[in-house]
Amino acid sequence: AAGVIQSPRHLIKEKRETATLKCYPIPRHDTVYWYQQGPGQDPQFLISFYEKMQSDKGSIPDRFSAQQFSDYHSELNMSSLELGDSALYFCASRGTKREGSTGELFFGEGSRLTVL
Amino acid sequence: AQKVTQAQTEISVVEKEDVTLDCVYETRDTTYYLFWYKQPPSGELVFLIRRNSFDEQNEISGRYSWNFQKSTSSFNFTITASQVVDSAVYFCALSNNQAGTALIFGKGTTLSVSS
Repeated sequence: AAGVIQSPRHLIKEKRETATLKCYPIPRHDTVYWYQQGPGQDPQFLISFYEKMQSDKGSIPDRFSAQQFSDYHSELNMSSLELGDSALYFCASRGTKREGSTGELFFGEGSRLTVL
Repeated sequence: AQKVTQAQTEISVVEKEDVTLDCVYETRDTTYYLFWYKQPPSGELVFLIRRNSFDEQNEISGRYSWNFQKSTSSFNFTITASQVVDSAVYFCALSNNQAGTALIFGKGTTLSVSS
């Protein structure tokens, strides 16, 4: 079965550079979530989109932005990167009850960003 | 506000021991979901179980079992006859029923199983 696809899996950037992470949800899932997991930390919710509209916002820095496109894939854009942005970034997708989903949240394998 | 507390930061057991990971949650929602995820050293988050707030039946899946008690707001996870491959960080998480709202994680419990 198709899972959540994230790209790239690994990314190395310098301070002050820009990075873009992509997420392709499970087909027919209409909700996408972004999480940031620092070393030894629990995943922290950044932002979510439902039907291409921002639906919830967590601890996302102003330097970050995200959007969900018409094909439901999502991109997380990170600018002016700082050392503290080094983390594992997870994307997750979920179908709504309207879609006949059981409500499970499925995570991608994560994109590991290293800022030097 | 929603909150998930996993009081056990680290647990170490020897193979074949049973181990219970505790999870206590707080929410004002009447409809909500509880989850457990496993994060092995490779880093991915592996879905283990989802339980909705109206289903208090305990569940068993192989060596895994879950005890959901609304009266104490707990959703504990037991691994029977633990194995070295069970070594991982285990996260308990909570979500309400509204589309698009976030899954809130506990801090995680690191389980180390030695042979």
